[in-house]
Formats: sequence, structure tokens, C-alpha cells
Amino acid sequence: GAVVSQHPSRVICKSGTSVKIECRSLDFQATTMFWYRQFPKQSLMLMATSNEGSKATYEQGVEKDKFLINHASLTLSTLTVASAHPEDSSFYICSAQTIHQDYEQYFGPGTRLTVT
Amino acid sequence: GQNIDQPTEMTATEGAIVQINCTYQTSGFNGLFWYQQHAGEAPTFLSYNVLDGLEEKGRFSSFLSRSKGYSYLLLKELQMKDSASYLCAGSSGSARQLTFGSGTQLTVLP
Repeated sequence: GAVVSQHPSRVICKSGTSVKIECRSLDFQATTMFWYRQFPKQSLMLMATSNEGSKATYEQGVEKDKFLINHASLTLSTLTVASAHPEDSSFYICSAQTIHQDYEQYFGPGTRLTVT
Repeated sequence: GQNIDQPTEMTATEGAIVQINCTYQTSGFNGLFWYQQHAGEAPTFLSYNVLDGLEEKGRFSSFLSRSKGYSYLLLKELQMKDSASYLCAGSSGSARQLTFGSGTQLTVLP
């Protein structure tokens, strides 16, 4: 149990385009979903915390107009990178959390974004 | 603020024991997680400590001292497949947000 999927796993796009990444909890309802970004050889940096039906809470330095998060249901959250630029190229990882398992976060497999 | 410190790199020999230390300064601390991450993959859960003491799970054990803001991950009978990055993460706040350390890249040599 506790499987989280992400789609797509890899995406290459041109500078200026928008990219949507989906995060789904497949066999449980996630009270909260988190979005992280990881640059090469660095650790995971929390971008935002998302609760179903409410606005996401963004970490300091993360532009909410550039990284649009929609948490439409208890099993789906989406991250849209608006007008992507090469510096947005990174590994984006989501996690889903349920209060029923000690608040443990279950991580998706990640999405490798490359902006050319 | 949140601050998690762990060594950047460690090297050990197959079959040996290695201890990866982590110190933290986290307001609203709930507990401490350890994750394993192979290159290009998402982190996988190893352990979660809330109370002081040692939690043993097979070849992996994790220790927590809340008063000292200190944790360690102990890996026994090292295997080549244990070569990976090990992430220490502090959980804090009502949302149980995770603050990750920089990760310790462990290399297991034959």
C-alpha cells in the first residue's frame, strides 16, 4: 500500500512553455501533499505544502505565480511550471501524507524536467 | 528556523558497519526520519524516531536524542547495494513538514 505516482517521469520542453506535473496517491487519501525540488547533488528543498481544496502554502523564495499548485481532490495534486526557463530544470518530487500513518510522507518517483 | 547537518560523504567496506550522524535544530520538532535515495530516484523510507533511544530494523538501526538534537543511522553488514545518499529529515509543525539535510553520500567498497 501507500503508493504515489507522478506523471510524466521525464519531460523536455522549450523555454517559455508551461509544464504540468501530476501527483496521485493510488491507494489512500492524502490529507496533505508536498512538492519538492532537487538540484544535482543537493538535497530536497520543500517548495510548497498543499491541502485539498485550499490554497497552497509556499516556502520563502518560491514564486507562487510561477509554480502553480492545484489540489483538486484527496488523491491528486498538480504542479504547473509556468513559462519555464533553463534554470527551472530540476528533479521535482511530490509526497503524499496521511494522518493515519504517523504523518509519514510517501514519495512519488519524481519528474525530471529539462528546459532547453 | 530549521537546520539539519550531516556529513557530505562517507566510505566503508563491504561487510563493515557504518554510522551516519545527524544534528538538528528544529523548532516545533515532532520526530526524525531517515531516507535512502539512489541517484535519479525518489527517497525511500528507512526509519522514524519520535522518542529517545534506538530503533532496530534488520540491518538498519536509528537512534535519537531529543535533548542533544542528535540522531544517527547505523548500517550493519554493508552490501554494495547500500551505496546511496542517506537523508536525515526533521519533522516539525502541525503539518509535519520535513526539512532535509544535505544528504550523506555513502560509497561501499568491495
